[in-house]
Amino acid sequence: QVQLVQSGAEVRKPGASVKVSCKASEYTFTDYYIYWVRQAPGQGLEWMGWINPNNGGTKNAQKFQGRVTMTRDTSISTAYMELNRLRSDDTAVYFCARIVVEPASIGGDYYYMDVWGKGTTVTVSS
Amino acid sequence: DIQMTQSPSSLSASVGDRVTFTCRASQSISNYLNWYQQKPGKAPKLLISAASSLHRGVPSRFSGSGSGTDFTLTISSLQPEDFATYYCQHSYSTSFTFGGGTKVEIK
Repeated sequence: QVQLVQSGAEVRKPGASVKVSCKASEYTFTDYYIYWVRQAPGQGLEWMGWINPNNGGTKNAQKFQGRVTMTRDTSISTAYMELNRLRSDDTAVYFCARIVVEPASIGGDYYYMDVWGKGTTVTVSS
Repeated sequence: DIQMTQSPSSLSASVGDRVTFTCRASQSISNYLNWYQQKPGKAPKLLISAASSLHRGVPSRFSGSGSGTDFTLTISSLQPEDFATYYCQHSYSTSFTFGGGTKVEIK
């Protein structure tokens, strides 16, 4: 079935980088944007950004500007999210999700996330 | 960025109760609003898109309404599997920010 499989848990020291992968299967990878969200322990969902696998275009949340890089490898249907200069408050579960785009009868498009990865736990600790 | 505010942050209810919680946008977002359910240790699950369109496979006891800045999610008869946290998310712009969530707990 359609799924997103994320890479395993990571532990990093402050100041290091982490790269999380998200592999798509059973659908055409380039037909859907990939969205990245994180969730700190006991907290809500925080959007980080998205990537258009078709052309590599990205949009990142202002909070992560300059620290996050989103890339993709279409040959293996995989998206990546790399976060640099890690701090202890980057400790979180990182999710990827597929974005569906549907034309709206009122004009514009509806966007929603219909398939999610199971999440990757990133722990930042000295 | 558009800010999304959910209330209450938590509520206690019993199986069979009708529960409603709200989501407010900092500006009008028409009906570009999604609802998700998240259980502990799991990824969010899409319930509703376009403010009121039930995603396939979602039970009909869930319903959404609203337009502009004020939205509601209603569970007509709470089931044991519905105890979870619910998040709204706008899709008016491509920032797709979430509200802070409403946690539904067992009374």
